Amino acid sequence: KQEVTQIPAALSVPEGENLVLNCSFTDSAIYNLQWFRQDPGKGLTSLLLIQSSQREQTSGRLNASLDKSSGRSTLYIAASQPGDSATYLCAVLRAGGTSYGKLTFGQGTILTVHP
Amino acid sequence: EAQVTQNPRYLITVTGKKLTVTCSQNMNHEYMSWYRQDPGLGLRQIYYSMNVEVTDKGDVPEGYKVSRKEKRNFPLILESPSPNQTSLYFCASSDQPGTSGRGRSYNEQFFGPGTRLTVL
Repeated sequence: KQEVTQIPAALSVPEGENLVLNCSFTDSAIYNLQWFRQDPGKGLTSLLLIQSSQREQTSGRLNASLDKSSGRSTLYIAASQPGDSATYLCAVLRAGGTSYGKLTFGQGTILTVHP
Repeated sequence: EAQVTQNPRYLITVTGKKLTVTCSQNMNHEYMSWYRQDPGLGLRQIYYSMNVEVTDKGDVPEGYKVSRKEKRNFPLILESPSPNQTSLYFCASSDQPGTSGRGRSYNEQFFGPGTRLTVL
């Protein structure tokens, strides 16, 4: 059974810092890994999607990397801003086998960026 | 505008009263799925559907039913709701997992706004 772990569970930083969020998964048979942002009481907003054959994706101040063989992904946020405060979730999409198509989420990292 | 819609957004009901939460997408996606989100437990997949008439259980399917009669719709049915089904529910859709006709895989998940369900 796929398990996804996110570290740290919570992170509080001053504005302007560069930071790294970590995601690890136990089963490397994945199609892709996706990072989401969730604001309190709201839905999920997709940030970055990395296919299993890719190593990284970038969007603005965000950069996500994927090391499928070791079961790890990192989300790098440059020059953090108070507006980045949210819960960040990673999710992996199962490839093949009896669980083909299952999506498994990590528990999330609660990020607070204070002015 | 490409979107996933859910209805209702908020629902308070009583134990045992059958209810349906609708989900619809306008992106011609093959893959649709339902999740529940609970404090301390995160997001867990309830059911997913790879295409019309093709559904499969996720991690927490007990007490739920789904159907996929049309490509755009994927309703979640609670035949006899119980208080432990009080939760925040999300529907999502994407292209079919796997390789597209263009030779590369792509499956960004698009989420609906959520349905907050309370079962008394």
